Amino acid sequence: ETGVTQSPTHLIKTRGQQVTLRCSSQSGHNTVSWYQQALGQGPQFIFQYYREEENGRGNFPPRFSGLQFPNYSSELNVNALELDDSALYLCASSLDRENTGELFFGEGSRLTVL
Amino acid sequence: AQSVTQLGSHVSVSEGALVLLRCNYSSSVPPYLFWYVQYPNQGLQLLLKYTTGATLVKGINGFEAEFKKSETSFHLTKPSAHMSDAAEYFCAATPHTGGFKTIFGAGTRLFVKA
Repeated sequence: ETGVTQSPTHLIKTRGQQVTLRCSSQSGHNTVSWYQQALGQGPQFIFQYYREEENGRGNFPPRFSGLQFPNYSSELNVNALELDDSALYLCASSLDRENTGELFFGEGSRLTVL
Repeated sequence: AQSVTQLGSHVSVSEGALVLLRCNYSSSVPPYLFWYVQYPNQGLQLLLKYTTGATLVKGINGFEAEFKKSETSFHLTKPSAHMSDAAEYFCAATPHTGGFKTIFGAGTRLFVKA
């Protein structure tokens, strides 16, 4: 069974640039959620995708967008990067749409915005 | 709005001592409740979860948690701390309906002294 994998693991960008983060969900999982974890804080929900459609969104501006592909892998795109976007971005897959069960997390992509 | 509060951003115990990490949720209807652990530079891993049924839940690595509806609490305990337990612990909650958004607490960092 393949776990959740994320790429890249680390990246550095400058303000105003755009970034794409990628996630391969665990085998058999059709739901992917993205979280932002700032230093010293808990993960904050960005959005969730279920079968290629956005299934819910947290309090993040529209410059945070995503995609889910037919193989259930996913991308998180952030436009017009700001310094406060520096964080660990976590992808989590799950078996069901309602997240009643366990979230399986990848190891994250650490983004630094200079 | 639902929220999760973890009392104490840092907890320090001696090896072999009791571990108690506190978590309270705010919700008119008890949500599904989870504890996750995060080791440095890694993603989150599920320790245990409460959905329905028995209020005392046992998880991995000797941890357990008790759901107390009257206190809106879900505290995590372990009878005897081990050095390998040193990590960040997150309490999380998912509402029963529209449950796509899992809310995390701010985390408690556990230090274990030799």
